Amino acid sequence: QAVLTQPPSLSASPGASASLTCTLRSGFNVGSYRIYWYQQKPGSPPQFLLRYKSDSDKLQGSGVSSRFSGSKDPSANAGILLISGLQSEDEADYYCMVWHSDAVLFGGGTRLTVL
Amino acid sequence: QVQLVQSGSELKKPGASVKISCKASGYTFTIYPLNWVRQAPGQGLEWMGWINTKTGSPIYAQGFTGRFVFSLDTSVTTTYLEITTLKAEDTAVYYCARGQDVLVVPPGDYWGQGTLVTVSS
Repeated sequence: QAVLTQPPSLSASPGASASLTCTLRSGFNVGSYRIYWYQQKPGSPPQFLLRYKSDSDKLQGSGVSSRFSGSKDPSANAGILLISGLQSEDEADYYCMVWHSDAVLFGGGTRLTVL
Repeated sequence: QVQLVQSGSELKKPGASVKISCKASGYTFTIYPLNWVRQAPGQGLEWMGWINTKTGSPIYAQGFTGRFVFSLDTSVTTTYLEITTLKAEDTAVYYCARGQDVLVVPPGDYWGQGTLVTVSS
């Protein structure tokens, strides 16, 4: 069973907000981790969006719009990427990641469709 | 500006070897970790490991030991990924990515453009 689980797909309308979730497997406490988020468009390398552990421990990627923000839902043991004011250019694959036991662990990715 | 420029696409036969390069520029090469990430066609991201650019010590992720070798040449600020005894399932795009900070291994803002390796008879 994967450590990080992301829904394979999500659809949302232009101008709306989208919450992408990254659920940690039981035994991995979301509160202990920085959750990293990457955006990947077809034919391009991933782009680092942000990392979020808490409101006092967060980092936005260079040049990344403030429409992208991170949070956590401790009750669901999940990290969340919130994209507000959706635009067609936000249509992409989104990956979460954590650093655990000296290793990078990626989620399976969520394909966001803006329609 | 920081750049990671990778070598071009490769077409190899099963059993052959391939060596991909990732040339860094625009920063002090030996103070940031460099990661390798694999993406098979239509699939997600897989972390292969990283190399300490100060010591040259490689760290391999599970599933990437034995046939995968990270190396570097600091004189030309380049890191390499060599894959031996290629299999069809090695067909993928391979990315290098700089660690987020001096002591932070996970990839940050800077990625290479990717190198497509195709293994086919």
